Formats: sequence, structure tokens, C-alpha cells
Amino acid sequence: LAKTTQPISMDSYEGQEVNITCSHNNIATNDYITWYQQFPSQGPRFIIQGYKTKVTNEVASLFIPADRKSSTLSLPRVSLSDTAVYYCLVGNQAGTALIFGKGTTLSVSS
Amino acid sequence: DSGVTQTPKHLITATGQRVTLRCSPRSGDLSVYWYQQSLDQGLQFLIQYYNGEERAKGNILERFSAQQFPDLHSELNLSSLELGDSALYFCASSGQASSYNSPLHFGNGTRLTVT
Repeated sequence: LAKTTQPISMDSYEGQEVNITCSHNNIATNDYITWYQQFPSQGPRFIIQGYKTKVTNEVASLFIPADRKSSTLSLPRVSLSDTAVYYCLVGNQAGTALIFGKGTTLSVSS
Repeated sequence: DSGVTQTPKHLITATGQRVTLRCSPRSGDLSVYWYQQSLDQGLQFLIQYYNGEERAKGNILERFSAQQFPDLHSELNLSSLELGDSALYFCASSGQASSYNSPLHFGNGTRLTVT
């Protein structure tokens, strides 16, 4: 399984765009990149998934460069309610399950 | 609402006891996963079932066991409980056998407190 590295914490203000970068140097050819969000005392929630280039949904965008050794989760115009832990996960193998790291704790202030 | 239902929401029990946590997956999902989250360990994968069969195993203690029933609901049994077993236990479900190309949908967890 590819190991991921992401910042432990980030701070932002309401209305700003937040970019969280995840490094995954050992990503395999068939690996997907997936991001989850977790609020305190709640289960993680799927945000976005991608394989290459750019993926956008109603919540976020995911930018993946050509070498796929990193990815960036972009949250446009964050609000206080975006304060949460964000996890980056990489993998594809059936027979294994999602391994969550420490994630990035995003704190949004007014 | 993820569609995954976990019961009970809270459980308080004493050391040495045995408890059962229950999970109903989203309608149509065949895979069920169990995760443990404690303050110092983060989210730890315990075990996965797919359509009634064990699919993947993580850091699950021998004192813990799980099963998935024909109606696809799952139970996690924790026995000989220790103080360190106090944690949030999450169940998640997905439609596929692989958790990487099929998003997981998590329940709101069962908070277990062992006294």
C-alpha cells in the first residue's frame, strides 16, 4: 500500500480557499486517490476520488499531477463548518481495506 | 444520513464483560467494515466482510470477533473487555469488495466505555 504524507494541521479563515496536499511517492499504477472528511464523534465522510488530472464535485476539487506522486484537495470558500479532519488515502487492492493515517486537522476561523 | 445504522449509540460496561455491536449496512451494500477509533490510535481497521465471507483482516484482537449474516447486517463481538478497549467503533459499508474504488459509507458509531 502506498504511504501517504499530509500536513498535521492547517488554519484558515472563512471565505478563503484551502488547499491540502498529500504526498504519495510510491503510488501504484492502479491506485486511486480518495479523500474523506471527519467531524468529531462522527464517521468519516467520502469527499472525492480521482485517478489522474482533475476531478470536481459540488464539495471540492482534486488536482493530480501527471506523475501522480502527490494530490491536492481544494476546498473553495471554506466556512466554519468545514473545520474537520481530512484524510488522504491511496490504494486499489481488493482484499485490503482503507488504512487511515492521522489526517490533516483543518481549523477555520471567522 | 449515510444509510448505515449502528446500535447502540452508547455502551457502558465493566472490565471482563462481553458486548455486541450491531451494524445495518446501506441498502444493497454487500461489504461491511469495522473500524476502531481511540484518541491515541486514530482510525484502526479491524475487519471486513463481503457478502457473508471474511474479506480482509486488520489489527483485530483475538478477543474480538465479527460476522455478517445472510441479511447482510453485521455484529462485532468484544469479550474480556479491558479499559483500553474504550473507543468509538465505526461500521462502514460499500457496494464493492474493494474499498478503494468504491466509497465507504460510515455510520455514526458506537461509543464504548469500559469502566
